[in-house]
Amino acid sequence: DQQVKQNSPSLSVQEGRISILNCDYTNSMFDYFLWYKKYPAEGPTFLISISSIKDKNEDGRFTVFLNKSAKHLSLHIVPSQPGDSAVYFCAATYGNKLVFGAGTILRVKS
Amino acid sequence: ETGVTQTPRHLVMGMTNKKSLKCEQHLGHNAMYWYKQSAKKPLELMFVYSLEERVENNSVPSRFSPECPNSSHLFLHLHTLQPEDSALYLCASSQDRTGTNTDTQYFGPGTRLTVL
Repeated sequence: DQQVKQNSPSLSVQEGRISILNCDYTNSMFDYFLWYKKYPAEGPTFLISISSIKDKNEDGRFTVFLNKSAKHLSLHIVPSQPGDSAVYFCAATYGNKLVFGAGTILRVKS
Repeated sequence: ETGVTQTPRHLVMGMTNKKSLKCEQHLGHNAMYWYKQSAKKPLELMFVYSLEERVENNSVPSRFSPECPNSSHLFLHLHTLQPEDSALYLCASSQDRTGTNTDTQYFGPGTRLTVL
């Protein structure tokens, strides 16, 4: 049973437009959420995170939104750039547990 | 450079072979992890070591045997694997094992394993 779900396996966006990556979770015990980015032949790298007591966290072009009542979070990238093309993993933690989603492949077309 | 290196980057082995994956972190971290990533599946945590002690083993078959000789090195010994074990094996490290929420994990590039 996947506790963290990324239902869109891939997303294609035009350069300069907004990319919205979605993530749903089932465990209400999760208290922190993270997004990782992975390029081919590299390991995932931490991108941005949000505590469950917040509903928004922004870092440059990246903003993460959390809707606790819907158990949903999203990552917004604006404007999208070709270098953002990668696999994006949503992850959630409680205690010492870190649970990942299956990832979404983002392709930004120039 | 992520500070976490893994060798080999690619490995092809038969079901009767014995091989080892190596991970080294240059970050001075105290916790190290092995993950398995199969195609279109979430990363699966396999083992966790904290201060060279195994603190978590997520029901991993005994054909996978981890070893952590010191806080900078982590091995995954492989023996009589099955084709379904083919996957990307990722090593990660973090400063401590006390909580992953403020203590992000740093990943190596992974070893792409193919079992024939």
